[in-house]
Amino acid sequence: DSGVTQTPKHLITATGQRVTLRCSPRSGDLSVYWYQQSLDQGLQFLIQYYNGEERAKGNILERFSAQQFPDLHSELNLSSLELGDSALYFCASSPEAGGYQETQYFGPGTRLLVL
Amino acid sequence: AQKVTQAQTEISVVEKEDVTLDCVYETRDTTYYLFWYKQPPSGELVFLIRRNSFDEQNEISGRYSWNFQKSTSSFNFTITASQVVDSAVYFCALSERGGGSYIPTFGRGTSLIVHP
Repeated sequence: DSGVTQTPKHLITATGQRVTLRCSPRSGDLSVYWYQQSLDQGLQFLIQYYNGEERAKGNILERFSAQQFPDLHSELNLSSLELGDSALYFCASSPEAGGYQETQYFGPGTRLLVL
Repeated sequence: AQKVTQAQTEISVVEKEDVTLDCVYETRDTTYYLFWYKQPPSGELVFLIRRNSFDEQNEISGRYSWNFQKSTSSFNFTITASQVVDSAVYFCALSERGGGSYIPTFGRGTSLIVHP
């Protein structure tokens, strides 16, 4: 158990809908990262937050947004969902701002299925 | 070109066999970190090891060992006497100091299937 929690574990929804994925980092970690894992794209970095501020941005679609709250938990919002958004979404956390030497610890993931 | 190449898409072995998962990386940086993660069928990504570019000493942890060779830009992972519980997808990742972004680059993963 990495100490990173994610809810829900599974989510089934329809195209055009909006969902919110939630992540709580390990105790004491200040950075939260979001990744998308699909069969054809592998593990893709979406976005990072450090202590409430956006720190780094990856291949995140405009339909997707995230935020980190004062208690350091984070939410990833996915809107106008398409079939291709079906994937496993991971949250990871690290102690500091995400320096190259930091290890990211991953949560169990949220499996999203868009029908 | 991929920064992290895991050329073996899938490896199938029988229990108790030794197996080596290859990871070749590409960087111009002299300072970087390499990581291995395990993703069992349950789905979570489990951190296994972190190695910095200045430490070429091989590491052993139980049945797991890692061989880091800067000369060949490789960071290979060996499982000795494999067990069914080792069945998982294994990811290698690279984090570069001068990469502009501190987000690690992950390889595409190697799926290891250990048959009883």
